[in-house]
Amino acid sequence: EAGVTQSPTHLIKTRGQQVTLRCSPISGHTSVYWYQQALGLGLQFLLWYDEGEERNRGNFPPRFSGRQFPNYSSELNVNALELEDSALYLCASSSSGHKDFFGQGTRLTVV
Amino acid sequence: AQSVTQLDSQVPVFEEAPVELRCNYSSSVSVYLFWYVQYPNQGLQLLLKYLSGSTLVKGINGFEAEFNKSQTSFHLRKPSVHISDTAEYFCAVSDLANAGGTSYGKLTFGQGTILTVHP
Repeated sequence: EAGVTQSPTHLIKTRGQQVTLRCSPISGHTSVYWYQQALGLGLQFLLWYDEGEERNRGNFPPRFSGRQFPNYSSELNVNALELEDSALYLCASSSSGHKDFFGQGTRLTVV
Repeated sequence: AQSVTQLDSQVPVFEEAPVELRCNYSSSVSVYLFWYVQYPNQGLQLLLKYLSGSTLVKGINGFEAEFNKSQTSFHLRKPSVHISDTAEYFCAVSDLANAGGTSYGKLTFGQGTILTVHP
């Protein structure tokens, strides 16, 4: 069974640019979560999508947004990048069996 | 709102020694409790979880944790560690009110404990 896959694995962006991160959940999983792991700030909940709907949102500014597609894959968009957005962005998916699985993450560096 | 406190930021231990990683949580509602492990440059792997029932939970890689409701703790233990257990460990909670029909809901994580196992 393929795990949660995230792309790209690494990327470097310039301050002010926009970035899109992608997540493919495990087959059959309908919920997708996004977390930010920034140095010194720990793991912070960003967004939760289930069945295409945004179910919950963490304490992040509106320039962090996302969506979930009919096939349950998801995108995280970050506009007007700031230096402090540099972090590992983790995606997790879960199923009715209440098992959450995390991807390997996308490491974003903003310069 | 929930919060999670991992009482030790770093725990050094010798190989084959026992280890306990401490986690306390605060919540006004019932919670689910989790421990995750993160190896360098990797995502998170679920070690174990407490949802209900027996307060002693056994997980993968020989780890176990005990839920103590009165002390609001969920400490992780392993009787004999290996070099390969060197990693960062995260305690997390999810409140039942946030849990949807298909998942636990959002997780609130502790700051992490770096376990270093020395030969």
